[in-house]
Parts: sequence; C-alpha cells; structure tokens
Amino acid sequence: DTGVSQNPRHKITKRGQNVTFRCDPISEHNRLYWYRQTLGQGPEFLTYFQNEAQLEKSRLLSDRFSAERPKGSFSTLEIQRTEQGDSAMYLCASSPGQGLYEQYFGPGTRLTVT
Amino acid sequence: GIQVEQSPPDLILQEGANSTLRCNFSDSVNNLQWFHQNPWGQLINLFYIPSGTKQNGRLSATTVATERYSLLYISSSQTTDSGVYFCAVAAGTSYDKVIFGPGTSLSVIP
Repeated sequence: DTGVSQNPRHKITKRGQNVTFRCDPISEHNRLYWYRQTLGQGPEFLTYFQNEAQLEKSRLLSDRFSAERPKGSFSTLEIQRTEQGDSAMYLCASSPGQGLYEQYFGPGTRLTVT
Repeated sequence: GIQVEQSPPDLILQEGANSTLRCNFSDSVNNLQWFHQNPWGQLINLFYIPSGTKQNGRLSATTVATERYSLLYISSSQTTDSGVYFCAVAAGTSYDKVIFGPGTSLSVIP
C-alpha cells in the first residue's frame, strides 16, 4: 500500500491559466476528498466522491472549479482562469467507506498563481 | 455549522517535556480525528477517536463526547514532534465532511 499520491507536488502558473491536479487514493478506498489549505489555516473541505459519484460540494467550490473521478479510482481537480486567491495547498484524502471513515491524506499540491 | 476550537494556539516545549492539547467542539460529533502536519505539509493520522481513549507510544488521546472535547497528550516530547496538530470533526448524518480546527503549533526545542 503506497498511500495517497498527488501530482504535481508544486505548480506555478500565471493568472488566467487553467491547471489540473491529480489524486490517486489508497487502492480499494471508495471515498475520495479534496481540501484546500491556506497559510496558517486548517484544511477546508471542497468536495468528496463515493466511487465515481460526487456527493457533496462546498460553497468554496466556485464555478471555476471542477472535480471528477471518472472510474471511481483516481480523481482530478481542475481550476479554470486561475486567480491569485487560488494560491493554496490542495490536499486529497481517501477513506475506505462502508462504515469506516478515517481519512488518509496525500502530500498535497502547492499552487502559486502569479 | 459545527465550530471547532483548539488550544493553545502555540506551544513551545523543551525536549522531554509533556503537553496536553485540547479540542472543543460545539455539537455532538460522530467522527473525530487528530492529525500532525509536519513542516513539509504532510498530514499524518494520529488517532481516529470519536469517543473513548487510545494510546500509541508516547501519544494518547481521549474524547469525552458528552462534554464535547478531546485531548491529545504528548509525553517525553522530541524535536520531531514539532509541527501543527489539528483535530477534525464531522457531525450529524455526514461522516465525511470533516471540519478542521485552527490547529496548535508546537515547537520542541533541544
């Protein structure tokens, strides 16, 4: 078991560009979560999937953000027309589901929008 | 929504000292986790503890659900314990939408 992995680990982009992040959960975990963390704050929930179904989205997830988990395995988070306020650490977590809710986090993708 | 508070916000310890970190929450919870975020940003699971007491080496945690708080004990602290400690809770029918507290920043000095 290699844990939750995220790519890329760092991304620098110019304002207005689109970016996409990938998360590979622990194998056989059917729940996958995305969080955003800014400096000095705790992570904030963005959205989560059970298998390929996106079950909840936070108000933080504006129209410029979209997440997918097409085959119930890896997930992508895309941000369109990035803004400087999108600069943050984007964290992915997974949990087994089926009554087991402990979440395991990946190393995160740090986004800097210049 | 549920509110989560952590205290103290910052803590400096001499290596070998013991400490207690506290997490208060405003409503009944069905999911509570403690995490350690290391200086590289990785969140490491410490405990999944919606109620009761657990121990893992020098760390232990107690959640008193009826009184809406959880405690994390660190004994014989080491420099590698430095980082930010978060508690995260979920309430109601949603076990998945966890809300993180603001964290306790711990520095252990030699």
